[in-house]
Amino acid sequence: DAGVTQSPTHLIKTRGQQVTLRCSPISGHKSVSWYQQVLGQGPQFIFQYYEKEERGRGNFPDRFSARQFPNYSSELNVNALLLGDSALYLCASSLLGVNPTSNQPQHFGDGTRLSIL
Amino acid sequence: DQQVKQNSPSLSVQEGRISILNCDYTNSMFDYFLWYKKYPAEGPTFLISISSIKDKNEDGRFTVFLNKSAKHLSLHIVPSQPGDSAVYFCAAKNSGGSNYKLTFGKGTLLTVNP
Repeated sequence: DAGVTQSPTHLIKTRGQQVTLRCSPISGHKSVSWYQQVLGQGPQFIFQYYEKEERGRGNFPDRFSARQFPNYSSELNVNALLLGDSALYLCASSLLGVNPTSNQPQHFGDGTRLSIL
Repeated sequence: DQQVKQNSPSLSVQEGRISILNCDYTNSMFDYFLWYKKYPAEGPTFLISISSIKDKNEDGRFTVFLNKSAKHLSLHIVPSQPGDSAVYFCAAKNSGGSNYKLTFGKGTLLTVNP
């Protein structure tokens, strides 16, 4: 079975540009979350979507936005890129219902490495 | 404010011995804990989890122990194998929250020497 797939794997942008990252969840998973991982740190939560609705947002500026499509795939958009946005962006999916008390692990893709010049 | 802490950046053990990775948390609302393993150029891979209603969970060579009063959990790998060499992340979740956010520690690099 295919795991979480992310595209592209690597991306180089310059300051001020905009970027769109894509994620396809594991088949049957309806929840998608996005995380940012900078060097030497653990992943940091950006967004969580379930059934095309935003269910959670981390401490990130409004330059970060996301959406989820009817097929449960998702896009993360970042506008007005800054040098500090250089990081590994991870997408995770999980087999979850509406109730967040359901404890199911999140499964991660291999990420998109974004470099800002 | 680091709510999940992995105070050992690295750990080195001999093949066949036990590896013990530690994690502390400060948020008493966390009630579900997970361990992930990450190889370079790959995403984190889920290893094992534990709910706060338990104090131990086992899966093959991996065992996670939870001490709620100390707000401490540990991952034991027995016996350690060279293929276990990776960065290990501890993560926690508040099931009473409104979303499925995981809070991660900074990770511990485990090196298993042949």
